[in-house]
Amino acid sequence: QLQLQESGPGLVKPSETLSLTCTVSGGSISSTDYYWDWIRQPPGKGLEWIGTIYYRGSTYYNPSLKSRVTISVDTSKNQFSLKLSSLTAADTAVYYCARGVYSGTYRHFDSWGQGTLVTVSS
Amino acid sequence: QLVLTQSPSASASLGASVKLTCTLSSGHSSYAIAWHQQQPQKAPRYLMILNSDGSHTKGDGIPDRFSGSSSGAERYLIISSLQSEDEADYYCQTWGTGIRVFGGGTKLTVL
Repeated sequence: QLQLQESGPGLVKPSETLSLTCTVSGGSISSTDYYWDWIRQPPGKGLEWIGTIYYRGSTYYNPSLKSRVTISVDTSKNQFSLKLSSLTAADTAVYYCARGVYSGTYRHFDSWGQGTLVTVSS
Repeated sequence: QLVLTQSPSASASLGASVKLTCTLSSGHSSYAIAWHQQQPQKAPRYLMILNSDGSHTKGDGIPDRFSGSSSGAERYLIISSLQSEDEADYYCQTWGTGIRVFGGGTKLTVL
């Protein structure tokens, strides 16, 4: 059974860069049938898509975050990672990694990590 | 612009049925969507993919009580025989070229 697990610091200072890693188990990140995504949820608010990566390294980002986001993949470790720079309090959120289906015209998320809370505060 | 609109809240009684709505923006009425459930303090869970013709495919382990239907630009999630554990936030999600979009979510209260 596929499992996704986020890891990284729970507290980051304003203006710094957040680095998170998602470790995939029970499946290969090099599968041609999936993308790998980051999604976040500020406290008490809805879901916001951050960006996605294919195992070959191609990426798409949310236009509202594009200037601050970098997503990378390490197929040897079955992991993918998120870097978000120039943090402010508005970036405080639970960050989820998810698997995105890449099949025909479908591009939905079919598996989610448990999420990790990141607080931006000095 | 690709946008999904959901009512912020809905309520229904235990054992009853409820229909949640997700509306696609103008020009996108042929798009498929996915429904996700987020129980309190938990990660979202994928429920189903729902096509414009109303056909849908559920995720593993999703009860038969959950189904979907479509009409024009509207996509529905129907939950029958409501149980207390169905009290949750429900999000619809779709996609375009290089982009993924969520609706604002509907908070379902089971009375």
